[in-house]
Amino acid sequence: GQQLNQSPQSMFIQEGEDVSMNCTSSSIFNTWLWYKQDPGEGPVLLIALYKAGELTSNGRLTAQFGITRKDSFLNISASIPSDVGIYFCAGPDNDMRFGAGTRLTVKP
Amino acid sequence: NAGVTQTPKFRVLKTGQSMTLLCAQDMNHEYMYWYRQDPGMGLRLIHYSVGEGTTAKGEVPDGYNVSRLKKQNFLLGLESAAPSQTSVYFCASLPPNQETQYFGPGTRLLVL
Repeated sequence: GQQLNQSPQSMFIQEGEDVSMNCTSSSIFNTWLWYKQDPGEGPVLLIALYKAGELTSNGRLTAQFGITRKDSFLNISASIPSDVGIYFCAGPDNDMRFGAGTRLTVKP
Repeated sequence: NAGVTQTPKFRVLKTGQSMTLLCAQDMNHEYMYWYRQDPGMGLRLIHYSVGEGTTAKGEVPDGYNVSRLKKQNFLLGLESAAPSQTSVYFCASLPPNQETQYFGPGTRLLVL
C-alpha cells in the first residue's frame, strides 16, 4: 500500500494565527481526504479533493490537491480554540490509508 | 439512522483471552473497515471488506480475524489477546460514491 507522510506532527499556536499542514505520498492518489478527530471520537471528514490542482474551501479551511497528485495541503485561517484536535490526511487505494496526523493545540 | 455503531465502548482483557468487537452500520454501505489507533501512529488499517462474505488484509492484520456474514455487520476477533493489542479500535463504512468514510465512536481495549 501507499505510504502517507504528514507534517508537522504537532503544532502549538496562538488563537487567531493561521495554520498550514501537508501530506505527501510515495505514489499518485486520485483522491485526497482531510479529516479532523476530536478527543474520544472518530474522525470526521472536513474536505475532499478529487482533481489535481483543485483548491477547495470549507469555511476557514482550505485544502489543495497537489498538481503532481502526490501531495496535499490543508490551511486553517484565524484559528479558534475549537480547532484543537488531530488532523489526518487520507487517500483511497485498494484500501484506505491515513497519515500519522497533525496534533493541533490552540492557546487562547 | 444510527450511522456506525461499535460494541463494546471499552474492554479490559487478560493476555491470552479472546474477544469479538462488533461494528454495525445501517446505511447499506458495501465497504467496511477496521482500524487501530495508537499514539503517534495515526490510523492503521487492520482488515477491510468490500461486501458481504468478503474480507481482505490491511496494513496490520496479524493477530486479528474478521467476518462479514451480514452486510450491516463487520466483526473483529482477537483469538489470543496480547498487550501489544492495547489500542483504540475504529470501524468505518464507505458509501457507493466512495467520497468519504463514516467512522464509529471507537472501542478502547486494554490488554493486561
